[in-house]
Amino acid sequence: EVQMLESGGHLEQPGGSLRLSCAASGFTFSNYALNWVRQAPGKGLEWVAVVSGGGYSTSYADSVKGRFTISRDNSKRTLYLQMNSLRVEDTAVYYCARLNSGSNNYFDYWGQGTLVTVSS
Amino acid sequence: SYVLIQPPSVSVAPGKTARITCGGNNIGTYSVHWYQQKPGQAPVLVVFEDSGRPSGIPERFSGSIAGNTATLTISRVEAGDEADYYCQVWDSSSNPVKFGGGTKVTVL
Repeated sequence: EVQMLESGGHLEQPGGSLRLSCAASGFTFSNYALNWVRQAPGKGLEWVAVVSGGGYSTSYADSVKGRFTISRDNSKRTLYLQMNSLRVEDTAVYYCARLNSGSNNYFDYWGQGTLVTVSS
Repeated sequence: SYVLIQPPSVSVAPGKTARITCGGNNIGTYSVHWYQQKPGQAPVLVVFEDSGRPSGIPERFSGSIAGNTATLTISRVEAGDEADYYCQVWDSSSNPVKFGGGTKVTVL
């Protein structure tokens, strides 16, 4: 059974930093690209970033580019999101999601999410 | 930037059919995927690649595309289908993932 469990979310001040983690099990971890997707309170889904299975290729939403860094440790089966220069508008539930990248890219498994609150 | 348009809300009586639309320019050139999100829960994939259904998703959920609109159809609606539904495509831009704004389905 595929499981993905996020952690690391909490209250942080504007300008601060946080690192989120997503521990995965139940599949061959290095075979899949992984993503972070966020959802601000009462709002829709917003894609944040993706990292390839080997960890060598990444892509970011314009809203976080230059501030957030996605990475993975395949030996630990863990995905990370380093969040720097946090802004109030980064407040959201952050989900990790596995990418099914056969011929068309979609998110076939999601974690339960971790809440990041940015406020003074 | 590619935009997906969904109606904010759809209301349907139990046992009837709900149709949730997702509009986008030349959407037929993309592969469209749909997610269900119940309150306080993570999204769940309910349709992939326009009309595919993941294991464990009831046959009542189906997807289609015609013209510039993709549609998620929920047949014989049940109270447990009350949720937000999002469409999604992946394009070739630097911001490749596009979600629709979401549609809240209310079962009357």
